[in-house]
Amino acid sequence: AQSVTQPDIHITVSEGASLELRCNYSYGATPYLFWYVQSPGQGLQLLLKYFSGDTLVQGIKGFEAEFKRSQSSFNLRKPSVHWSDAAEYFCAVSITGGGNKLTFGTGTQLKVEL
Amino acid sequence: DTGVSQDPRHKITKRGQNVTFRCDPISEHNRLYWYRQTLGQGPEFLTYFQNEAQLEKSRLLSDRFSAERPKGSFSTLEIQRTEQGDSAMYLCASSLGQGDNQPQHFGDGTRLSIL
Repeated sequence: AQSVTQPDIHITVSEGASLELRCNYSYGATPYLFWYVQSPGQGLQLLLKYFSGDTLVQGIKGFEAEFKRSQSSFNLRKPSVHWSDAAEYFCAVSITGGGNKLTFGTGTQLKVEL
Repeated sequence: DTGVSQDPRHKITKRGQNVTFRCDPISEHNRLYWYRQTLGQGPEFLTYFQNEAQLEKSRLLSDRFSAERPKGSFSTLEIQRTEQGDSAMYLCASSLGQGDNQPQHFGDGTRLSIL
């Protein structure tokens, strides 16, 4: 079965600093990859997705992610963090034939210092 | 596109009571998913529907849980004889039914607290 690992439970960055959130997956083939963001008490909002093609994908709110097959990784990046980016971030995968259901990592809580 | 709507947003109930949650997906989406999220964890898949057919249920979905989507539109998730361990956020999502790479759109969830 596929799995997703987000090694960092909490990350704190200063406003204006760059950000990288790590995500590793375990699956025999290339899964479909997603990053979602969740604000307190809210549902999840899709930031970006990777299916195939260009390994660097752009998303909303200035986020991007890079798929690296050799490292089974799909790290999320942002060049300059804003205070409003403070939230919890989830990496997720779905697989071919899996009915599009998502397997999520445990999430990374981002704190932004002003 | 009015988004995925869930009702109620919060539910507090006593152990042993039955509860029912409702989810209204985005209108053109024929797939509907239920997830459960506990504190400090990512959402975990419970079940999903393609139109009115329930196509998969997780082992997490004990026989106290039942989900329906009678006309292929809204869905309900019922928990019978609630237990303390059922306290969680229950999230509903919907997507188009073409392939396994369609982005899912989530509602704001129903937070269940068992006293």
